[in-house]
Amino acid sequence: GAGVSQSPSNKVTEKGKDVELRCDPISGHTALYWYRQSLGQGLEFLIYFQGNSAPDKSGLPSDRFSAERTGGSVSTLTIQRTQQEDSAVYLCASSEQRNEQFFGPGTRLTVL
Amino acid sequence: EDKVVQSPLSLVVHEGDTVTLNCSYEVTNFRSLLWYKQEKKAPTFLFMLTSSGIEKKSGRLSSILDKKELFSILNITATQTGDSAIYLCAVGATSGSRLTFGEGTQLTVNP
Repeated sequence: GAGVSQSPSNKVTEKGKDVELRCDPISGHTALYWYRQSLGQGLEFLIYFQGNSAPDKSGLPSDRFSAERTGGSVSTLTIQRTQQEDSAVYLCASSEQRNEQFFGPGTRLTVL
Repeated sequence: EDKVVQSPLSLVVHEGDTVTLNCSYEVTNFRSLLWYKQEKKAPTFLFMLTSSGIEKKSGRLSSILDKKELFSILNITATQTGDSAIYLCAVGATSGSRLTFGEGTQLTVNP
């Protein structure tokens, strides 16, 4: 595709439910990143993939958060037993190696 | 711990004004500094700077990096209402591929 795409664009869930967020990177980009942005805050790094492996997952805030990437392309970020503090915009970006990162439109997650 | 500080946090100007946004950083093994514009959700890429003293320019926007003093500025001349957005500064290190972002500058351009 022409750019990074993410789905869903908005997700409202109840506290304690699991959610899955999807990212389709720019075709051919080997690196993929997940960030989150809470209201009025800057972007907070979560995890980085190079191909299908994640050499840096140090930003995941707890073991309720996990991510995988298959086929060097699509990535899924899963949040288990969601809490209200998980409410944020989750942004995915991709890049060729370590050059500029291009962002998707994000998923706005609201945990009630 | 890598750190990026932007100033001012918010700025209100009138159309036609020139603005300068500031970004200072502390990062181990600096590789690059990037500027993004965020209007709704997706930050859109503006500039990537890796060398000191070389100005990057795109239309009314320009940016320069000072690696000795560890800061960058983003200039916008003849501002328009469409420039209203959050401007994010981020740094990348050679030791990893994550970007560390500042809190952003909220720019409002009034007609």
